[in-house]
Amino acid sequence: GESVGLHLPTLSVQEGDNSIINCAYSNSASDYFIWYKQESGKGPQFIIDIRSNMDKRQGQRVTVLLNKTVKHLSLQIAATQPGDSAVYFCAENMGSPGSYIPTFGRGTSLIVHP
Amino acid sequence: NAGVTQTPKFQVLKTGQSMTLQCAQDMNHNSMYWYRQDPGMGLRLIYYSASEGTTDKGEVPNGYNVSRLNKREFSLRLESAAPSQTSVYFCASSGLQETQYFGPGTRLLVL
Repeated sequence: GESVGLHLPTLSVQEGDNSIINCAYSNSASDYFIWYKQESGKGPQFIIDIRSNMDKRQGQRVTVLLNKTVKHLSLQIAATQPGDSAVYFCAENMGSPGSYIPTFGRGTSLIVHP
Repeated sequence: NAGVTQTPKFQVLKTGQSMTLQCAQDMNHNSMYWYRQDPGMGLRLIYYSASEGTTDKGEVPNGYNVSRLNKREFSLRLESAAPSQTSVYFCASSGLQETQYFGPGTRLLVL
């Protein structure tokens, strides 16, 4: 079956730098995408989402970009902090509102050096 | 609100033993999910329940059963545990906004 994948399994950055985490998805029918953050020993936590009718969405220090042409998703974290160190997952959702079934990628480990 | 709670936090089983993982949410969500997460892997869906009274298989349902006891609770049962079921199990729920909220996980070791 189709699945979500990540280009970089580990990303190391310096505190204060901007981080970009990439994700490729396979199913062109996917219409809802979510980024999650998972800290060690904890469950995934929602960061930001985007629907397929949008190209960009901004949150606090985070921006998600969606390129449907090449089926690519990215998460940008501005002024990365040590507390941002975690594994980041993207998830694509297929189905219809109210019955989405997500598929998760393997995750990218972000390491922030002080 | 406690969000999504899971019990137990840790469990060690011997091959062939059975156990039930409990999950409850207090956000009045319709949908609930069970995932497993293995080292270096993403989350894989075991079973989900789109609403009270319904359950459906996910990507890796073999060896598991589920019960949607009521709107709040969704349990996962291992009838005869195998070492391949050693994993971290996460329960999640979602409402109309589709965003999934995850519990803290249950770490299971099958010897």
